[in-house]
Amino acid sequence: AQKVTQAQTEISVVEKEDVTLDCVYETRDTTYYLFWYKQPPSGELVFLIRRNSFDEQNEISGRYSWNFQKSTSSFNFTITASQVVDSAVYFCALSSRTGANSKLTFGKGITLSVRP
Amino acid sequence: NAGVTQTPKFQVLKTGQSMTLQCAQDMNHEYMSWYRQDPGMGLRLIHYSVGAGITDQGEVPNGYNVSRSTTEDFPLRLLSAAPSQTSVYFCASSPGGSRGYGYTFGSGTRLTVV
Repeated sequence: AQKVTQAQTEISVVEKEDVTLDCVYETRDTTYYLFWYKQPPSGELVFLIRRNSFDEQNEISGRYSWNFQKSTSSFNFTITASQVVDSAVYFCALSSRTGANSKLTFGKGITLSVRP
Repeated sequence: NAGVTQTPKFQVLKTGQSMTLQCAQDMNHEYMSWYRQDPGMGLRLIHYSVGAGITDQGEVPNGYNVSRSTTEDFPLRLLSAAPSQTSVYFCASSPGGSRGYGYTFGSGTRLTVV
C-alpha cells in the first residue's frame, strides 16, 4: 500500500515570505514517481513537478524549489518570496508501478493563503 | 489537442437518479482513472483502467460503475445517486509504460445530489 501525508492543513503567510510545504510518503516499491499539483480557486489541477525515485537532485524553477530526500521519504516544496497568486491548495502525490497498474495516490492537500 | 475533456461541468441530481459522467482523451493514453475530491480528503481514486476492456476498483468504488470500450473514453456511472456522492469528480489519463508517468487531468465535474 502507498500513502502520502501532508501534515500541514492550512498555512497563512504574508506576501514575500518564504514558505515550505511538507510531504512524506510511504511505498514498498523501489521505482516510483512523486508529484506536486496546485489547485487554484478556479478548481483545476495544475501540474508543477514530477520526480522519479532514482533522481534525488533538488530542482529549482523560478521561485519554486523541491527537496527530495529518500532517506526521510520526503518531497518538500518551497516557495520563495510568496505572492498572492500562490494562494491555492497544493497536493503532493505518489505513483508506484504495481504490475501493469499505475495509480496516483494523493495527500489531503495544504491550503496556502498569501496575504498582501 | 484537447487533452482530457470532462462533461458536464456542473450537475444537480435528485437522490436515486442515475447519470453518467463523461471523460474523453485524445492523447492515446493507456491509463485512465476517476477521482473524487471532498473537503479535507484530498483526491481519492474511484476506478481506473489500464487499457480498453480492463478496469479495476480504486479506494472508493461503491456506488459507481465504469467501462472502457475504447482507448479514448472512460465514463463513470452513478447507478442510484446519494447525497454522499456530492463531490467534485476528476478524470485523469496517463501514457503509462515506457512513455512515462505524466498525468493529465480534466477540468472537473461538480456534482450535487439533493
